[in-house]
Formats: sequence, C-alpha cells, structure tokens
Amino acid sequence: QKEVEQNSGPLSVPEGAIASLNCTYSDRGSQSFFWYRQYSGKSPELIMFIYSNGDKEDGRFTAQLNKASQYVSLLIRDSQPSDSATYLCAVVSSGGSYIPTFGRGTSLIVHP
Amino acid sequence: KAGVTQTPRYLIKTRGQQVTLSCSPISGHRSVSWYQQTPGQGLQFLFEYFSETQRNKGNFPGRFSGRQFSNSRSEMNVSTLELGDSALYLCASSEGTGGETQYFGPGTRLLVL
Repeated sequence: QKEVEQNSGPLSVPEGAIASLNCTYSDRGSQSFFWYRQYSGKSPELIMFIYSNGDKEDGRFTAQLNKASQYVSLLIRDSQPSDSATYLCAVVSSGGSYIPTFGRGTSLIVHP
Repeated sequence: KAGVTQTPRYLIKTRGQQVTLSCSPISGHRSVSWYQQTPGQGLQFLFEYFSETQRNKGNFPGRFSGRQFSNSRSEMNVSTLELGDSALYLCASSEGTGGETQYFGPGTRLLVL
C-alpha cells in the first residue's frame, strides 16, 4: 500500500513569514512529486512539480525533494492571507499505473 | 487552451437514484481520471480512462462506472446512490504518457438525500 503522509494542521503563520509544509511517502521507487493548492469549496490547482533531488524555485514557492529520506516539502516565502488553503502532496511511483497517490493535505492559515 | 470542464456543477439526488457526471479534458489530453473527495477520506482515486479504455481502477464498488468517448470526453455513473456517496467528484486530465501533471476540473458536488 503506497502511502503519502501529511500533517493535517492547521499550520498557522503570520503574514510575511515562511510557511513550511512537509510530506513523506512510503514507496522508495516514487519518481514524480506534485504540490496542489485547494481553496475551500474549490478544486485542486497545481503549484509545482519536482522530479529530481534538491530544490526547485518558482516565485515565492520552493519545492524540496530528498529521495533518500523519502520526503518532499513546500516552502512559501512572504506568506500572504491569500495563501490560506489546503495543500495537497501527490506522489507518482515508477513501474506502475502513473496514477498519483494524494496525501490528506495540510491546512495553512496565514493571519494578518 | 481551455481548462477541464465538468457538468453539472451541483446535483441533489435521493437514495436509490442514479447519476451521470461529465468531464471534458484539456484539448489534446487523452487521459481522464476521476476522484471522489470527502472530508473524512480525502481524495480517493476512482478510475482512469485512456483512449476509450479503462486503464486503472481504484477500490470502489461496481456501482461506480465510467466510460470515455473518442473525443476523450468522459462520463462517470453512480447507480443506486447511497448517502455516503455525497462528495465532490473531481475529474483530472493529463496527456496520458505517464507520470505527468494532472489538471483538475472544478468538480461536481453531489448531495444524496
């Protein structure tokens, strides 16, 4: 059973701070990693994907992947109240169906 | 390109009825996946269709079925609705070549009374 674990939160950070969201996965053969943001009552929207170990930056967002430790994280710099949402981690394993396994999500609250 | 579209956006049904939901993927995308999202269970995979064939299937009862047409549009059907089927049903499209990004539609919110 492939598992993707996220702390459900809520993670509360002040406006302007760095929010750090973490995700661990059980399948060592995982190859693709995605972060989605989901506002309440809306559908998930893609923020970033990462395939290789290390950091990948896109604006205020940085994804970090460590395959040896089987975790992927998302850093949000200069957090804004509009970043308040649930963040879903999704992992695709190799040699299989290519269907992502989703974590249950971490709720982020950015307070002014 | 236009995004993923789903119809209807909201549905209210009663127990025992059946329902059909529709999804039109992004132009050029050949894979359509369906998910059920509830507060208690999170996002759960139902099935994936690629080139009109069910390529992958999740762990849902046979009451849940789907199909895909030659233009990649997909439908899912739930027969004999139960109260527990109340959920947000999401469709996601991708190119279908393997491991690439899935793009979600706005979802259909189903309420079973």
